[in-house]
Amino acid sequence: DGGITQSPKYLFRKEGQNVTLSCEQNLNHDAMYWYRQDPGQGLRLIYYSQIVNDFQKGDIAEGYSVSREKKESFPLTVTSAQKNPTAFYLCASSTIPGTEAYEQYFGPGTRLTVT
Amino acid sequence: AQKITQTQPGMFVQEKEAVTLDCTYDTSDQSYGLFWYKQPSSGEMIFLIYQGSYDEQNATEGRYSLNFQKARKSANLVISASQLGDSAMYFCAMRAGGGSEKLVFGKGTKLTVNP
Repeated sequence: DGGITQSPKYLFRKEGQNVTLSCEQNLNHDAMYWYRQDPGQGLRLIYYSQIVNDFQKGDIAEGYSVSREKKESFPLTVTSAQKNPTAFYLCASSTIPGTEAYEQYFGPGTRLTVT
Repeated sequence: AQKITQTQPGMFVQEKEAVTLDCTYDTSDQSYGLFWYKQPSSGEMIFLIYQGSYDEQNATEGRYSLNFQKARKSANLVISASQLGDSAMYFCAMRAGGGSEKLVFGKGTKLTVNP
């Protein structure tokens, strides 16, 4: 079955540690995205990538980093510089960007708790 | 800048009845797309329906329809014949045209379907 996998589902870290969230897709989609969701809020865009080895900052990129070495993979690193890292993180992918009608497919998400 | 407003934090509906979830948007773009996503308690975002700004007909997908009123900048989701499994968070989102990759989300509406 095609889809997006995120692992792990729950992640716990101590403050000051970097942590990397995994996102893999087998939909052959060109574009991939990372969103953050806080309780009672909608999603906010962290980073996105339209092609391998290229990515763009979203609205809340500070304290995060990404890489896109393979079309299928778009890992997100939450660095110690992120002031409030505890949140629900969702990865998404879509077909050719630049077309209004395409929807984004989402993974199951990773709930990160930093104490 | 694009903005999505969902004014109903929570809605209740009886099973088998119809319900309308409100969404208003703000954009200066002429070309844009509007989306509705469902988020069950598991966290995954499920695409429901899409409406393009130039589409003259209201979009429909099974029990979901989108009541698109362009002059009022509203894109309300109508769910007919509600089912218990429809209980979830519902998010309205917009993407600007012209190659923009950002999806801007509203804060969501929590729908509860009562038996």
